[in-house]
Amino acid sequence: KNEVEQSPQNLTAQEGEFITINCSYSVGISALHWLQQHPGGGIVSLFMLSSGKKKHGRLIATINIQEKHSSLHITASHPRDSAVYICAVRQGGSEKLVFGKGTKLTVNP
Amino acid sequence: EPEVTQTPSHQVTQMGQEVILRCVPISNHLYFYWYRQILGQKVEFLVSFYNNEISEKSEIFDDQFSVERPDGSNFTLKIRSTKLEDSAMYFCASSGPGGERTEAFFGQGTRLTVV
Repeated sequence: KNEVEQSPQNLTAQEGEFITINCSYSVGISALHWLQQHPGGGIVSLFMLSSGKKKHGRLIATINIQEKHSSLHITASHPRDSAVYICAVRQGGSEKLVFGKGTKLTVNP
Repeated sequence: EPEVTQTPSHQVTQMGQEVILRCVPISNHLYFYWYRQILGQKVEFLVSFYNNEISEKSEIFDDQFSVERPDGSNFTLKIRSTKLEDSAMYFCASSGPGGERTEAFFGQGTRLTVV
């Protein structure tokens, strides 16, 4: 059974700050997803990673397979980045995603 | 941009009643999923569906639950006799021909309230 741990649980930042959210998992995976959940509840996929690093705009996601760890970075944070960021992993041979509890990010102007 | 759509956005039902939650996945996707999120908790997998049959299910997905793809475009989750603890946000998701190797796209969710 794969356990997915995220840190921190809550994060408050000032506009413009560099943000890092961490995710660790316990068992080997085929892919790791970073997702964003807004207060209305909808979930948006940000990245799917199996190795290395991906960048999209101000968002960067990295993964270290050997250490079973991934980070999501937000550069030049903005109040509209305020949301819950969720890490989810998929084990090889399984289609299901196992979710972390999420990190609630609040960016103040 | 293609998206997964779910209806209704919010449903209130009496305990013991049957509910059907509906989803229209992205049109060329082949893998379909239901997840749920109880208020304040993490998202949990319920079931995956491929080639017109269940490919994987969790222990939550008991005989109370069923899924169907009735007409080639809709994907439904039926709860036969709802309980108070079924109150949650239910998310439908779909992914492309690569299955686990492709990104999953989520709908906006249906908030189910059982009273």
